[in-house]
Amino acid sequence: GDSVTQMEGPVTLSEEAFLTINCTYTATGYPSLFWYVQYPGEGLQLLLKATKADDKGSNKGFEATYRKETTSFHLEKGSVQVSDSAVYFCALTYTGGFKTIFGAGTRLFVKA
Amino acid sequence: IAGITQAPTSQILAAGRRMTLRCTQDMRHNAMYWYRQDLGLGLRLIHYSNTAGTTGKGEVPDGYSVSRANTDDFPLTLASAVPSQTSVYFCASSPTVEGPEAFFGQGTRLTVV
Repeated sequence: GDSVTQMEGPVTLSEEAFLTINCTYTATGYPSLFWYVQYPGEGLQLLLKATKADDKGSNKGFEATYRKETTSFHLEKGSVQVSDSAVYFCALTYTGGFKTIFGAGTRLFVKA
Repeated sequence: IAGITQAPTSQILAAGRRMTLRCTQDMRHNAMYWYRQDLGLGLRLIHYSNTAGTTGKGEVPDGYSVSRANTDDFPLTLASAVPSQTSVYFCASSPTVEGPEAFFGQGTRLTVV
């Protein structure tokens, strides 16, 4: 079946460090891919998305490219801030289907 | 402010008791969902609704029921709570079943003792 696998956390970085959170997926079709972010005490918020292969989603300095050949959607940011500390979820869903499959989440701590 | 409102924000519940978690959205979204979030497991879909009057089972529906009497409200009921239902519960909505982006409430932290 379809699934999403994320790197285990927590990830701890110093401010201004480069961030990569790996995400790979298995899918029977051609899903859309998402990164959601969950700040402490809050619900999930959409961070960025890509709907087809080679698309790049970007928002707030974060980027991820939909790589069909490697079935990956890694999240990157060039310079993290303390305010980026949160849990990040990779997810996939199909147009025409309601079900979103989430990865287990990766907690990021950014130290000042 | 438009969005999804969940209530209560947290609850401690005795095992065997009945509990309803409330969810209301004001975005006129057709599709609504209930997820539970457990450490290391991500989010798992409990129940969903494509539109008012219809509901369906997700990945982990046992012990839960839902109703969708109107577009805005999607309550989740635990008929007889058990400790394994201790979790954080998130309600979400999307404009249509095909509209994949989901909007989430702030969650309800439920502890069953």
